[in-house]
Amino acid sequence: DGGITQSPKYLFRKEGQNVTLSCEQNLNHDAMYWYRQDPGQGLRLIYYSQIVNDFQKGDIAEGYSVSREKKESFPLTVTSAQKNPTAFYLCASNIPPGQRSGANVLTFGAGSRLTVL
Amino acid sequence: AQRVTQPEKLLSVFKGAPVELKCNYSYSGSPELFWYVQYSRQRLQLLLRHISRESIKGFTADLNKGETSFHLKKPFAQEEDSAMYYCALPMDSNYQLIWGAGTKLIIKP
Repeated sequence: DGGITQSPKYLFRKEGQNVTLSCEQNLNHDAMYWYRQDPGQGLRLIYYSQIVNDFQKGDIAEGYSVSREKKESFPLTVTSAQKNPTAFYLCASNIPPGQRSGANVLTFGAGSRLTVL
Repeated sequence: AQRVTQPEKLLSVFKGAPVELKCNYSYSGSPELFWYVQYSRQRLQLLLRHISRESIKGFTADLNKGETSFHLKKPFAQEEDSAMYYCALPMDSNYQLIWGAGTKLIIKP
């Protein structure tokens, strides 16, 4: 059963703490993404990675960090520098190898809801 | 600059009524546009893409280059259509998508 697994589903953090959200995919997708979803603002891109050991900042990367050591994994760390971290975070992936027409069709995880206390 | 605009944050219609969710884009070339849907407690998922020219769950979307629009339509709304709908446009330079702000569709019984 292929897909994207995000964990934890819910996470509470005290101010000043870093937290890491996990994203794992078994779809053999090259590219992975982290989005932040806030009511009325759509999806805003935090970071993305098109290949292992490489990643780029999205529109709202400040206060976040990522790594891409394995094709299957793209964890997101929300650092204490992120001023308003309470949000719903979505991980996505796309581009099956050899299927260029599949590009841009994103598969999403179920999301992680982070609340700062 | 490429942009996607969904002018309605909330759209509420009665069951059985026609529904149209608006999406306007700014792009100089031939765009490839998508509609994604997020039902309550479900993952965000692709609903349809304009190059497929297909109808999914009774929804269709026609690309109007003259009006730069890609409105999502369904002739008879059903309660299970209640969801959050996002219009998206791929960027030229990479595999990223530009997202509209989303429209919450509520179908009243």
